Order: sequence, then C-alpha cells, then structure tokens
Amino acid sequence: DAGITQSPRHKVTETGTPVTLRCHQTENHRYMYWYRQDPGHGLRLIHYSYGVKDTDKGEVSDGYSVSRSKTEDFLLTLESATSSQTSVYFCAISGGLDGTYEQYFGPGTRLTVT
Amino acid sequence: GDSVTQMEGPVTLSEEAFLTINCTYTATGYPSLFWYVQYPGEGLQLLLKATKADDKGSNKGFEATYRKETTSFHLEKGSVQVSDSAVYFCALSMNRDDKIIFGKGTRLHILP
Repeated sequence: DAGITQSPRHKVTETGTPVTLRCHQTENHRYMYWYRQDPGHGLRLIHYSYGVKDTDKGEVSDGYSVSRSKTEDFLLTLESATSSQTSVYFCAISGGLDGTYEQYFGPGTRLTVT
Repeated sequence: GDSVTQMEGPVTLSEEAFLTINCTYTATGYPSLFWYVQYPGEGLQLLLKATKADDKGSNKGFEATYRKETTSFHLEKGSVQVSDSAVYFCALSMNRDDKIIFGKGTRLHILP
C-alpha cells in the first residue's frame, strides 16, 4: 500500500471556524490531490499540486485553499467552514519516478460542519 | 471534454454469480483506463489498469479489456463473493496533466 496518511480522520467543527486537513506521503510522488466525496456527486477535485509551492484549482475550489511547502505534505484549509463543506475528504498522490499515472488514495477525513 | 460513463447502481447479485459493470469513455486521445474499488469507510484502491488498446487488466479475479473500437472498459468477474461488495469506479487519465477523470461509481451488493 502507498504510504499516505490523513489527519485528522474525523472532525466536527462549527460554521465559520477555520479548518486545516493534512495529507502526508512517504512515497516521494510529485503530484498530490484533494478530493471531496458526496452522495450523488461522486469524487470531485478541489485542488492539486504538481510540486512544492506549485498548486492549481480543481472543479470545486471555492472556499478552499491549499499549501505545499514540502514534497511530503499537502494541506487543505477551509478558511471559514460552512455546512455545505460537510463531506468526506480524500487525498491522493501520483507520478512516481517510473512515470505512472494512477493515483493512490489516503483513508479519508470525515468532516462535519454544524 | 473527456468523460467516463458507468452503469448506475446499485447492482445486487447472489454469491458465485457472474458480474459485469459497464464503463464507456469519451476522450480525444489515447487514455489510460482504470478500475478503482472503495470498501465501506475506506479510500479508493486501484483494482486494475490498462494503458493501450486491447490490453487486459486483471487482479483478484476481476478483468477488464481496453476496447478502443467501442470506447469501453467493462469490469467482469466470473464468480463474485460477499467480500466483493463495494463501490467500483471507472476512470481515465490522458497522461497529460496527470489528472484522472472518474465515473460516478457503481455500488455492488453481493448476497450470501
């Protein structure tokens, strides 16, 4: 299994508070991604990174920001959480040294905004 | 744009039945194709992949063949088990910007 961890695994927070989710990898993969998964919507890409300090927006980036200061860490921040951001968040990595393009997923973080 | 369409679920089968989950794609080039599986409470796991036309990916008794002429990548298994109950996602990558396009997923229930 790819070495990907996410923290926290579960979080309950109140509307309007800031929240940061962390993704950590031990695979030295170049690309990292944040997705959210909601019933009826499948997986939707929030932001992704193609290297340290290089990030770009996905299809549902409003209300989210990201940072990548080290190869192994990719942070997702909800500046002011809203109830619509209640979801399961998955981190994924890709692009190892052999040029593979499949993505490997972390275990997920279940976030509830009350 | 590039897209993936897979059959809607849920799909309910009895143990030892034959499984097919249909997946078709639209792409302007030559994508790599994947099947992922998600067990309850877990992240997605890569099940199998194929990188060019006529390739067959296989793993854990599951198979899928990359059919360029029908733009399909149907998932099959000859005899399903209760432990195969999960959500299955078809996906493609254009190998260009390293993003993957996922289908909406098909939930599979296997009855003992």
